Amino acid sequence: EPEVTQTPSHQVTQMGQEVILRCVPISNHLYFYWYRQILGQKVEFLVSFYNNEISEKSEIFDDQFSVERPDGSNFTLKIRSTKLEDSAMYFCASRDDRSRETQYFGPGTRLLVL
Amino acid sequence: DAKTTQPPSMDCAEGRAANLPCNHSTISGNEYVYWYRQIHSQGPQYIIHGLKNNETNEMASLIITEDRKSSTLILPHATLRDTAVYYCIVRVSTDKLIFGTGTRLQVFP
Repeated sequence: EPEVTQTPSHQVTQMGQEVILRCVPISNHLYFYWYRQILGQKVEFLVSFYNNEISEKSEIFDDQFSVERPDGSNFTLKIRSTKLEDSAMYFCASRDDRSRETQYFGPGTRLLVL
Repeated sequence: DAKTTQPPSMDCAEGRAANLPCNHSTISGNEYVYWYRQIHSQGPQYIIHGLKNNETNEMASLIITEDRKSSTLILPHATLRDTAVYYCIVRVSTDKLIFGTGTRLQVFP
């Protein structure tokens, strides 16, 4: 069964450093998402992406965040200057246009900012 | 999107049916009810969704009341692997999912 994959599974970085989290969505999917979950808290929507454009973003997704689909397979989330409060699990999700209801989530990247 | 209310936790014996309730009294006519679950900090997993009619798939059944103000997710024969946080989400938009705190289901032997 096809699945969303994410790399790395864990990332430790120093405050102020840039990080790039990578996702490979399911191959025929057209809609892509990033969510995050701070330890012990709810899963929060960050951004949705379609046709090489951001469709929607949350208040969390400020100028420090950016997303990109650099090629036909990867979807990345960049945090330019990490803060302590960016420490969280980051989940990528994707869906196709036929089963519009179903977002498939990856296993997540655990980001720790020191 | 309508707000949902779920009990914070439930227990279920292995092999028994797990019935997880969700209240969504402010749901509007075109809002769907979705259920996802999250097993121990893994990525959320889609379970089932419905609008008005009851739905069943290989994972679960979804019972929606006639007035659509509440619903119940049924896992017919719960296993230890069903221990997870279950989220009931009501929405119109097909894009973002808004997760609440969900119900932590503990299946015990």
